[in-house]
Amino acid sequence: LAKTTQPISMDSYEGQEVNITCSHNNIATNDYITWYQQFPSQGPRFIIQGYKTKVTNEVASLFIPADRKSSTLSLPRVSLSDTAVYYCLVVDSGGYQKVTFGTGTKLQVIP
Amino acid sequence: DAMVIQNPRYQVTQFGKPVTLSCSQTLNHNVMYWYQQKSSQAPKLLFHYYDKDFNNEADTPDNFQSRRPNTSFCFLDIRSPGLGDAAMYLCATSRDLATGGYEQYFGPGTRLTVT
Repeated sequence: LAKTTQPISMDSYEGQEVNITCSHNNIATNDYITWYQQFPSQGPRFIIQGYKTKVTNEVASLFIPADRKSSTLSLPRVSLSDTAVYYCLVVDSGGYQKVTFGTGTKLQVIP
Repeated sequence: DAMVIQNPRYQVTQFGKPVTLSCSQTLNHNVMYWYQQKSSQAPKLLFHYYDKDFNNEADTPDNFQSRRPNTSFCFLDIRSPGLGDAAMYLCATSRDLATGGYEQYFGPGTRLTVT
């Protein structure tokens, strides 16, 4: 499994765009990248997944460069309710989702 | 709504007293996972079921066992809880990747306290 590295924490003001970058240098050809959000005392919640280039959904965008050794989760115009821990995961595509959660990034949104 | 349900949400057990945590799902997913999450740490995969096939992580202590009697239910048994087993236990489900199952659906977790 590819190991992921993220910043431990980030602060952002409300209304700003937040970009969280994850490094996964050992990603394999068939691996996918997923991001989860976790609030205190709740289970993680899936945000977005991608393989390469750019993926956008209603809550976030995911940018993956051609070499796929990193990915960036972009949260547009964050609000206080976006304060959470964000995990980048590399998903082994060998049949089931054997994943290893990295340390995650604790995002604090400031009013 | 289809979902992953964990009971109880909070469980207190005594040191060495066996405890069972339960998870049920209405998503009809064929893969179910159990994670342990200690305070301020990331979730750690204990084991998972791919249909009826049980897959144990190499570093999961023997003290932890699991049962999956049918597609909908999965149980985590801790045979002799120690103080170090106090944690949030998360159940998750997914479809297999062959059917596009890149997303894991997590339950709310059961917080286990060992006294």
